[in-house]
Amino acid sequence: DQQVKQNSPSLSVQEGRISILNCDYTNSMFDYFLWYKKYPAEGPTFLISISSIKDKNEDGRFTVFLNKSAKHLSLHIVPSQPGDSAVYFCAASVGSNYKLTFGKGTLLTVNP
Amino acid sequence: DAMVIQNPRYQVTQFGKPVTLSCSQTLNHNVMYWYQQKSSQAPKLLFHYYDKDFNNEADTPDNFQSRRPNTSFCFLDIRSPGLGDAAMYLCATSRDYGHQETQYFGPGTRLLVL
Repeated sequence: DQQVKQNSPSLSVQEGRISILNCDYTNSMFDYFLWYKKYPAEGPTFLISISSIKDKNEDGRFTVFLNKSAKHLSLHIVPSQPGDSAVYFCAASVGSNYKLTFGKGTLLTVNP
Repeated sequence: DAMVIQNPRYQVTQFGKPVTLSCSQTLNHNVMYWYQQKSSQAPKLLFHYYDKDFNNEADTPDNFQSRRPNTSFCFLDIRSPGLGDAAMYLCATSRDYGHQETQYFGPGTRLLVL
């Protein structure tokens, strides 16, 4: 049973436009959410996170929004750049637990 | 500059032939994790070490074992690989448990079982 779902396997956007990547979760115990970014032939790298006590966290061009009632989070990238082309994984955890539960990832392609 | 190193990057083995994947880290982190990621699937945690303490996930098959001889190295042993074990195996580390502790991933080893 998939507890973290990324329903869009891929997304294509034009350079300079907004990219919106979505993630849904089913486990109401999750209270911390992360986005990881993965380039080909590299391991995932941490991008941005959000605690369930917040509904928004911003870091430069990257903003994560959390809607707890809908069990939904999204990553906004503005403006999108070709170097943002990568697979983006959504992940979630419970409390101070070590375990990250990942989604399947969304391949973002930013076209020049 | 590599912080989490995995060798080899590609590994081919035969059905039923034991295989060992290697992970090393230069971060001096307490925790080392092994994930399995099958094609188009989410990375799935197999087990982890906190220092010398081994922690297995409930649904990890017995066919998968791990060793951590020292802080820097961790090995994944697959005793009798089946075709279904073909996957990308990701090693990760974190300094400690907790939200504030980022997991750092290696580039992965892609395992092919013939």
